[in-house]
Amino acid sequence: NAGVMQNPRHLVRRRGQEARLRCSPMKGHSHVYWYRQLPEEGLKFMVYLQKENIIDESGMPKERFSAEFPKEGPSILRIQQVVRGDSAAYFCASSQQRDLGNYGYTFGSGTRLTVV
Amino acid sequence: GNSVTQMEGPVTLSEEAFLTINCTYTATGYPSLFWYVQYPGEGLQLLLKATKADDKGSNKGFEATYRKETTSFHLEKGSVQVSDSAVYFCALSDSGNQFYFGTGTSLTVIP
Repeated sequence: NAGVMQNPRHLVRRRGQEARLRCSPMKGHSHVYWYRQLPEEGLKFMVYLQKENIIDESGMPKERFSAEFPKEGPSILRIQQVVRGDSAAYFCASSQQRDLGNYGYTFGSGTRLTVV
Repeated sequence: GNSVTQMEGPVTLSEEAFLTINCTYTATGYPSLFWYVQYPGEGLQLLLKATKADDKGSNKGFEATYRKETTSFHLEKGSVQVSDSAVYFCALSDSGNQFYFGTGTSLTVIP
């Protein structure tokens, strides 16, 4: 049973380009969460999605960032017109149950975005 | 609001030494508490958890007790190994839509 799969593992983009990060949740998991880890910081929540729905995007920057989780296929985190400050590790997590307090997450290995 | 404060790192210990990583939290209500471990180049893995006061979570020789009176969830291990070298994150969930993570504590164990 494969875990949470993220790709690519490493992504280099020039300033102004678009970055697309993909996340396939564990089999049977319908809840997907995106977190960002800036250098020397902990993980910060960005967005929570279920299939075809954004449930909570309170942690997403208001501009340039968007996320989706279509009926078919992986969840996508999209960053338009990247800037150097977007350089970070982006982690996806999935859960089977809505009750995170009891079940927690399973994390992917992350995508490390470098903006040059 | 919710927040987690961890002791600053990095921490360097000799093999077989005793480990304590302090974690305190601020939360409304009764959160669940977690420790996650991140090995180099990898994602976070759940190490242990506790869902109510006085619960003790344990796994792979690591332990942490949920202390409501001191709002703490300190991670301990009696005898660390080189393979325990990693970054350790304390986190809480208030059963909302997200976890709140500490900034992480880097541990290096030397032979």
